[in-house]
Amino acid sequence: DIRMTQSPASLSASLGETVNIECLASEDIYSDLAWYQQKPGKSPQLLIYNANSLQNGVPSRFSGSGSGTQYSLKINSLQSEDVATYFCQQYNNYPWTFGGGTKLELK
Amino acid sequence: EVQLVESGGGLVQPGRSLKLSCAASGFTYSNYVMAWVRQAPTKGLEWVASISTGGGNTYYRDSVKGRFTISRDNAKNTLYLQIDSLRSEDTATYYCAKDTGANYFDYWGQGVMVTVSS
Repeated sequence: DIRMTQSPASLSASLGETVNIECLASEDIYSDLAWYQQKPGKSPQLLIYNANSLQNGVPSRFSGSGSGTQYSLKINSLQSEDVATYFCQQYNNYPWTFGGGTKLELK
Repeated sequence: EVQLVESGGGLVQPGRSLKLSCAASGFTYSNYVMAWVRQAPTKGLEWVASISTGGGNTYYRDSVKGRFTISRDNAKNTLYLQIDSLRSEDTATYYCAKDTGANYFDYWGQGVMVTVSS
């Protein structure tokens, strides 16, 4: 199985700040990577696919980058509604696997 | 509007069975691969199973092979997950998810809780 390691596990940031979340795959996943946002008590929502493509309706302050085994999610100008847990998912090889999550809180 | 509504969860004793359902609407259900993803309490997400558009091909994570069966009824726009020989480690919220066709998920249900305990 491809192991997805996210860092940090938790993060505290101020409104308006820029936040970066990393996701490291145990092998090359050829940009077959998605990012999801899960707000407390809610189901996950797709933010980014193919490592850097923004899902329809997602604010442009969210962006993704990376290749090979290293990927990142960037949130510009943090808003209060961005408080959530963020997960990466690889879909290059079965079984599809997720990172452990990054919990983002406001400072 | 795409809607996925799960049902069938609850408190179940170890070793018993349960069948989850997911009613889909707002899209052409028969055109999309569908999946189940679970999340143990305070834990991360874990893909469980996927099923092809016609139902002829199914895929499972190793830890549930032989105990879980994913199926679909395209006439009823409904996805199912039969869970047999339930174990404590199956305790989780189970989400039904619509696959975009590229193996990531653009719509998720609200989730249904399964608790395995004596």
